[in-house]
Amino acid sequence: AQSVTQLGSHVSVSEGALVLLRCNYSSSVPPYLFWYVQYPNQGLQLLLKYTSAATLVKGINGFEAEFKKSETSFHLTKPSAHMSDAAEYFCAVSGLMDSSYKLIFGSGTRLLVRP
Amino acid sequence: NAGVTQTPKFQVLKTGQSMTLQCAQNMNHEYMSWYRQDPGMGLRLIHYSVGAGITDQGEVPNGYNVSRSTTEDFPLRLLSAAPSQTSVYFCASSYSPRTSGGNTQYFGPGTRLTVL
Repeated sequence: AQSVTQLGSHVSVSEGALVLLRCNYSSSVPPYLFWYVQYPNQGLQLLLKYTSAATLVKGINGFEAEFKKSETSFHLTKPSAHMSDAAEYFCAVSGLMDSSYKLIFGSGTRLLVRP
Repeated sequence: NAGVTQTPKFQVLKTGQSMTLQCAQNMNHEYMSWYRQDPGMGLRLIHYSVGAGITDQGEVPNGYNVSRSTTEDFPLRLLSAAPSQTSVYFCASSYSPRTSGGNTQYFGPGTRLTVL
């Protein structure tokens, strides 16, 4: 069965500091991996996705993530945090077989950005 | 504008009442799904559909029914609401992952449901 673990329900950084949000997955087949962002009182918006092409994936708003098969990780990073990055971030996984219709989400990490 | 719409945005029900959450998309997506979001638990899949006339259960289907009579619409029915169904509900849609590679789902703005 597939699963996603996000380490840290809350992460706090200063404006201008590095953002690192951790995601580890479990999957018996090569996965598709996603990062979504949710701003307050809104739906989820795709930040980036990994679909077995390049292992370093660049997304919107300066975010990127690196797929590391040996570590079963897909951590999200941004070199310099902005106040507007404050939101909740979700990592998700789906498979390549019939189950690829289903997204399995992590529990989310709330990013706080301090002035 | 292309996207996923959900109605209502907010709803308060009494235990035992029934209601339907509406979801529509205008992107001709084959795949549609319903999730519920609860604090500390991320999003959990309730039901999904891979096309008109085809639905299946997700992770937490009990207490919910769905149908898919058209490509555009995918309503979620609560037959007899319970306080445990207090949650935020999101509808999502996507093209078939078999044709687009990777299941990029587009989410609606959500419905916040409270069951008293």
